[in-house]
Amino acid sequence: AQSVTQLGSHVSVSEGALVLLRCNYSSSVPPYLFWYVQYPNQGLQLLLKYTSAATLVKGINGFEAEFKKSETSFHLTKPSAHMSDAAEYFCAVSENTGRRALTFGSGTRLQVQP
Amino acid sequence: DAGVIQSPRHEVTEMGQEVTLRCKPISGHNSLFWYRQTMMRGLELLIYFNNNVPIDDSGMPEDRFSAKMPNASFSTLKIQPSEPRDSAVYFCASSLSGEKLFFGSGTQLSVL
Repeated sequence: AQSVTQLGSHVSVSEGALVLLRCNYSSSVPPYLFWYVQYPNQGLQLLLKYTSAATLVKGINGFEAEFKKSETSFHLTKPSAHMSDAAEYFCAVSENTGRRALTFGSGTRLQVQP
Repeated sequence: DAGVIQSPRHEVTEMGQEVTLRCKPISGHNSLFWYRQTMMRGLELLIYFNNNVPIDDSGMPEDRFSAKMPNASFSTLKIQPSEPRDSAVYFCASSLSGEKLFFGSGTQLSVL
């Protein structure tokens, strides 16, 4: 079975500061890993995905994530936070064996202080 | 493309009533997913279809829930009878080959 754990349900940073959202996964087979963002009253949007190519993945809006197999981690980072980054972020995993459904983490709400 | 379209956006109903949520996936997508989001349990996969066939319905809470996909452009999620604990936001998502999911805006269901 696959799962993801997001450490910290709420993260608050100042505008311009580094954003670091943590995600650890568990999967019995090589995983596909994703980060999605949800703005208020909207559905989720894909930020970036890892599918066994480069371990450092760049996504939209300046976000990137690094796949570290030894740490079973896929943390999301952004060098400089912007007010518009305030949202909820979800890490997700799927197995690259044909089962298409994603298993989502519990989410991390990012607040950006002026 | 208009994206994944869900209706209604909001549904308020009384306990015991039947509720039907609707979803139109993105044209050409071959996979469709129903998720439920609550504060307590986060995002839970209820069921997903591939080429209109249900592949995994292990997340459907109980027999009160049923989902259909009669064709590639339409799916329904039905709750009968509804209960207050079914109150949540229900999301439909579609994808081509499963790697990137496109989500609808969700249906906010309140069961009184």
